[in-house]
Amino acid sequence: DVVMTQSPLSLPVTLGQPASISCRSSQSLVYSDGISYLSWFHQRPGQSPRRLIHKASNRDSGVPDRFSGSGSGTYFTLKISRVEAEDVGIYYCMQGTHWPPITFGQGTRLEIK
Amino acid sequence: QVQLQESGPRLVKPSQTLSLTCTVSSDSFISGDYCWSWVRQPPGRGLEWIGHIHESGRTSYNSSLEGRVTVSFDASTNDFSLILTSLTAADTGVYYCATGDSGSKIGSWGQGTLVTVSS
Repeated sequence: DVVMTQSPLSLPVTLGQPASISCRSSQSLVYSDGISYLSWFHQRPGQSPRRLIHKASNRDSGVPDRFSGSGSGTYFTLKISRVEAEDVGIYYCMQGTHWPPITFGQGTRLEIK
Repeated sequence: QVQLQESGPRLVKPSQTLSLTCTVSSDSFISGDYCWSWVRQPPGRGLEWIGHIHESGRTSYNSSLEGRVTVSFDASTNDFSLILTSLTAADTGVYYCATGDSGSKIGSWGQGTLVTVSS
């Protein structure tokens, strides 16, 4: 199974400041078509996850442009350019390249300082 | 945009079988390259993929569930279902249905349903 390792696991951030979360995979996530099937999700307390980024760097419809994804191979990053109050919650990376099983990172909890 | 809604029992006894249904609705026709997944989340913990069915009918499951799981799709209603047998307390959690294209696998999620396994 592909192991997804996120860091940090806890991320206190001041409003208006940038934030960055990394995700490492135990194998390269580049599929035979050249695409890294790495997604990022945000889960607010009591809600279902919402996908922010797919294919490593493609922002989903309706996602604010302060969110960006980058990376390829085994190292990926989610960046928030200026954190807002609504960004609190848990962020998960997920790989869909090598399956079964599809695997998620442990989650990174973002909170406001 | 696809909307998903889980339904099924909230309380199940140990050793019994859980059966959940995901009702699918969409603002437009859904093309034929989608995966229909189930994901669960134990209380206070992370996300675990259970399995999925592709619209071709091909299924794939998490081996950690040791053959206890079946995912099926009803083409007449566009609904899909989860069956999980031999339940224990470790199966307690929020169960989500989800869907996405066959590349990224998961994009849209249902709101989730909390299932408690207890006598």
